Amino acid sequence: AQSVTQLGSHVSVSEGALVLLRCNYSSSVPPYLFWYVQYPNQGLQLLLKYTSAATLVKGINGFEAEFKKSETSFHLTKPSAHMSDAAEYFCAVSVYTGGFKTIFGAGTRLFVKA
Amino acid sequence: EAQVTQNPRYLITVTGKKLTVTCSQNMNHEYMSWYRQDPGLGLRQIYYSMNVEVTDKGDVPEGYKVSRKEKRNFPLILESPSPNQTSLYFCASSSRWGQKNTEAFFGQGTRLTVV
Repeated sequence: AQSVTQLGSHVSVSEGALVLLRCNYSSSVPPYLFWYVQYPNQGLQLLLKYTSAATLVKGINGFEAEFKKSETSFHLTKPSAHMSDAAEYFCAVSVYTGGFKTIFGAGTRLFVKA
Repeated sequence: EAQVTQNPRYLITVTGKKLTVTCSQNMNHEYMSWYRQDPGLGLRQIYYSMNVEVTDKGDVPEGYKVSRKEKRNFPLILESPSPNQTSLYFCASSSRWGQKNTEAFFGQGTRLTVV
């Protein structure tokens, strides 16, 4: 079975500080991994994805994530937080085992202080 | 413009009154799914469809029905809504597994309140 754990339901950083949002997954088959961002009153928007190519994945808005198989992690980082980064972030794992299955983490709300 | 369109965006209804939330995509995607989002639980998959006339249950299918008669449309039906189905619902579509762009494209969401 697949599962996703996001550590920390809320993360607060100062503007200009490093953003680190943690995601650990479990999967019995090679997964695809995704980070999505949700702004208030909007749907989810893809930030970046890992699909078994390069382990360091760069996404939009300066975000990147590194797939570490040994640690079953896919943490999201950004060197310098901006006020516009305040949103909720979801890690997701997708696998195909005869059917298409996507599991989302519970989400991490990022607050950015001026 | 590539998009997934859900209607309505907001809906308040009474217990037991059948309702349908529509979802349409213009990207010719094979795969569509419905999720509900609840605080602290993230998104949970209700139903998904691999293609026309092919649907399957997700993690929380009880109380919901779906149909996929056309590739672009995937309506969510609540035959007899109950208050525990009060939630934020999202429709999503994506291309076939294994293709380059497998990420999901989401609709804007439908906030449903059942009283």
